[in-house]
Amino acid sequence: QLQLQESGPGLVKPSETLSLTCTVSGASISGSTSYWGWIRQPPEKGLEWIGTVFYTGTTHYNPSLKSRVTVSVDTSRNQFSLQMTSVTAADTAVYYCARLDYGNGAASWGQGTLVTVSS
Amino acid sequence: DIVMIQSPLSLPVTPGEPASISCRSSQSLLHSNGYNYLDWYLQKPGQSPQLLIYLGSNRASGVPDRFSGSGSGTDFTLKISRVEAEDVGLYYCMQGTYWPLYTFGQGTKLEIK
Repeated sequence: QLQLQESGPGLVKPSETLSLTCTVSGASISGSTSYWGWIRQPPEKGLEWIGTVFYTGTTHYNPSLKSRVTVSVDTSRNQFSLQMTSVTAADTAVYYCARLDYGNGAASWGQGTLVTVSS
Repeated sequence: DIVMIQSPLSLPVTPGEPASISCRSSQSLLHSNGYNYLDWYLQKPGQSPQLLIYLGSNRASGVPDRFSGSGSGTDFTLKISRVEAEDVGLYYCMQGTYWPLYTFGQGTKLEIK
C-alpha cells in the first residue's frame, strides 16, 4: 500500500528557507507515470497547489510561488523535496505531499506537516 | 488564471437528507479529448484530503455510492443522496484540465444540523 510521509522542521524564521522531504513507501518513484506534488493549507483556509515533479526531474510550479519554490526528486532514496525561500508569516501552513495521476486526481496524500514561520 | 468558485461555502444538512455542492470554473474544463479533468475531495476534520470523484463523475475506490459527480464545461456538481454524520468536513473541487497547473476551489464546509 502506497504511503507518503512528510518530514522537516516545524518552525522556520522569517526570510529563511523552508525545506521539507516526502518519503514514499509501497511504490517506486522511478519509472512511475505519476507526478509527485506539494500542496499547502494555511490555518483556516483552503488548499493551494505548490508544485509537482516527475521522476525524471521535470518540474511544474504554481506561478504565484514559482520565484521562491524548488521541488526536486531523489529516486535513490525514493523521496522528493520542497524548498521555499524568503518565507514570511503568510507561508505558515500545513504542507501535504501527494501523488497526482493525470486523469485520476490525487489519490494518495501524506498526513501533512505544520510549518510555522515565526521568529 | 483558472478560478474555481464553489457554492455554498457553508452547508448545514440534516442526516438522511440530500446535499449538493456547485463548482464553477472561469474557463471550460472540457479537454479536447472529451474529458473534464475535475476532481472532488473531502477533508474530514483533522485529516488529509481524500479523493472522492475524478474526471467529473467517476467515484474513487472505496467511495460510497451515495456520492455522485456530474457536469461538464464550466459547471459541476457534487451530490450526496443521503447525508450521514461521517460526511462532515470540507469539500473541494480541483481542476486538472490545464495541467500542469492545478487549481482548487475555496472549499465548502458541510456540517450536520
